[in-house]
Amino acid sequence: SQQGEEDPQALSIQEGENATMNCSYKTSINNLQWYRQNSGRGLVHLILIRSNEREKHSGRLRVTLDTSKKSSSLLITASRAADTASYFCATDVGTALIFGKGTTLSVSS
Amino acid sequence: GAGVSQTPSNKVTEKGKYVELRCDPISGHTALYWYRQSLGQGPEFLIYFQGTGAADDSGLPNDRFFAVRPEGSVSTLKIQRTERGDSAVYLCASSYGNNEQFFGPGTRLTVL
Repeated sequence: SQQGEEDPQALSIQEGENATMNCSYKTSINNLQWYRQNSGRGLVHLILIRSNEREKHSGRLRVTLDTSKKSSSLLITASRAADTASYFCATDVGTALIFGKGTTLSVSS
Repeated sequence: GAGVSQTPSNKVTEKGKYVELRCDPISGHTALYWYRQSLGQGPEFLIYFQGTGAADDSGLPNDRFFAVRPEGSVSTLKIQRTERGDSAVYLCASSYGNNEQFFGPGTRLTVL
C-alpha cells in the first residue's frame, strides 16, 4: 500500500523558477525522506527530516514537515534543467519506506 | 566507496520461467531492502533483512517470491513461475541502522 501522496502529479516550470512539491501521509512516522529518480531508475536520496524537526535545508533544497497536518513540502529554489526528474516522498514507519506515486518535474531552459 | 550494485541490469524471460536477481549492498550496511516499482508508480516494499534474517517479508506478493541473504551481505531475490504481471523494476537498498536508504540502479525485469 502507498501512504504518501505527492501533489501535484506533474509540474512544468522555467529555469530559475522555484518548484514546490507537497506530500501528505496517513500514519505516524519516524522520519520522512525525499528522493529523486531519473528515467525510472536509480533513486537518489535528497534529504531526511525526522519527526521532531520542522525544517531542513540542503543546498537549493528546503524541506518542511508538519506532523500535525501529516504533510511535508519540498522546495527547490532557482531550478535548473538538470533538476528534471521524478520526486518521491517516503515515510519511515519502522522497517521499510512507504513511497508515494511521485511528482514529475520538468524544467525547461 | 562503491554504492549498491544490482545484477543483471536487465532481464528478459518467458512466462513460467525462474529468475534470480542479485543485490550487493554497501559494505558494512546491516539492513537490506527489496522494492518493486511498476511504471508510473512509486517503489513498493517487498522484504527487509537485518543481517541474515528476513525481519519483515510482509510485502512479498505471494509464495512465488522468495529472498535470501545467507551471509548477511549479498542478497538474491528469487521469482518462480514468472508471470507477465511480475514485469517491473526491482530495486535494492541498504542502510546502516535507521538512517537513509541507499538504492541501487535496479533490475528491469520483463516477462514475455
